[in-house]
Amino acid sequence: QKEVEQDPGPLSVPEGAIVSLNCTYSNSAFQYFMWYRQYSRKGPELLMYTYSSGNKEDGRFTAQVDKSSKYISLFIRDSQPSDSATYLCAMFLSGGYNKLIFGAGTRLAVHP
Amino acid sequence: KAGVTQTPRYLIKTRGQQVTLSCSPISGHRSVSWYQQTPGQGLQFLFEYFSETQRNKGNFPGRFSGRQFSNSRSEMNVSTLELGDSALYLCASSKIIQGPNTEAFFGQGTRLTVV
Repeated sequence: QKEVEQDPGPLSVPEGAIVSLNCTYSNSAFQYFMWYRQYSRKGPELLMYTYSSGNKEDGRFTAQVDKSSKYISLFIRDSQPSDSATYLCAMFLSGGYNKLIFGAGTRLAVHP
Repeated sequence: KAGVTQTPRYLIKTRGQQVTLSCSPISGHRSVSWYQQTPGQGLQFLFEYFSETQRNKGNFPGRFSGRQFSNSRSEMNVSTLELGDSALYLCASSKIIQGPNTEAFFGQGTRLTVV
């Protein structure tokens, strides 16, 4: 079983839709949770970062963490064609062996 | 300011050969991490270098190695290439050792194809 599970999609939605992207994880030692966005032929870029359970908003993006269920989500409101990309969740494990562990990524297509 | 630069962008090699990939981090960044990205496994951590020393290592065989120079530029080497090594290799740079509060900036990657 992978430490981080993420549905690869693809996910296709119309412009203006609310998008929900999710990841589950198995290691309760994960402390920090991130979402990266990767456009085609580009490297990933950090979108959002959160530590505690709960919600964090940044414009049209909301990151949600539920540590008790080992489940994180990224919501995109009023989705735009420019949001079409692969979204990767990532989790940070620290304590002598710092490393970022990524999900496989979900490919999102927002069509006009 | 210039971003992370990886060279070459594309590479085709034959099984059994070796390959060296290069990464120039953002000016002032001292940490360089390497990742392998494949459709099936996603992004997997290879290793991290900081101040010319390997600080962390992922679960990859010894065929995968790296080094960092005094100017923070890093190289990654894969020996005795296998078909399964075909992937996008990404490097990420950050000011300090990768940590939860450290933002890593990724390059565009080197697409390696092993035939």
